[in-house]
Amino acid sequence: DQQVKQNSPSLSVQEGRISILNCDYTNSMFDYFLWYKKYPAEGPTFLISISSIKDKNEDGRFTVFLNKSAKHLSLHIVPSQPGDSAVYFCAASAVGGTYKYIFGTGTRLKVLA
Amino acid sequence: DTEVTQTPKHLVMGMTNKKSLKCEQHMGHRAMYWYKQKAKKPPELMFVYSYEKLSINESVPSRFSPECPNSSLLNLHLHALQPEDSALYLCASSHPGADRGPTYEQYFGPGTRLTVT
Repeated sequence: DQQVKQNSPSLSVQEGRISILNCDYTNSMFDYFLWYKKYPAEGPTFLISISSIKDKNEDGRFTVFLNKSAKHLSLHIVPSQPGDSAVYFCAASAVGGTYKYIFGTGTRLKVLA
Repeated sequence: DTEVTQTPKHLVMGMTNKKSLKCEQHMGHRAMYWYKQKAKKPPELMFVYSYEKLSINESVPSRFSPECPNSSLLNLHLHALQPEDSALYLCASSHPGADRGPTYEQYFGPGTRLTVT
């Protein structure tokens, strides 16, 4: 049972435009969410996180939105750059299980120059 | 220094071999993790150490044996592996979260690509 889902396995976006990556979860106990970027042959790199007490968190070109009622979060990258081409994972954890992060299946983003 | 290092980068071993994967961090993190990642799949948690004590074992077969000799080092001892154990093994570290407080992002190493023949 996949508790964290990324329904789009891949996404292509033109350089300079907005990239929107989506993530859905089923466990209402999740209250902390993270996005990671992964290049081939490297470990995931932390990008941005959001706590369930917020509905938006921004860091430079990256913004994460959380809709708790829909159990949905999204990562916006504006403007997209070719170097953003990678696999993006969302991950979720629950208070009381703070060491346990459940990862989504990943979305491969390709930014076209 | 926000680096987690892992050695070796690649490892090929036979089913009767014994080998170890090593992970090191110097960020003062007191939680360390082993994940397994198969191609086109998300990382799957295997073990978590908190303050050098094993706190989570996700029902991992005993042919994988973790060890945390000190707060900076994490090992994964491998013995009698099967070909289906071939995968990317990722180590990560983080500050341990408080039960009722915020959790913290994990920093990952580059992984060890393991092939079992």
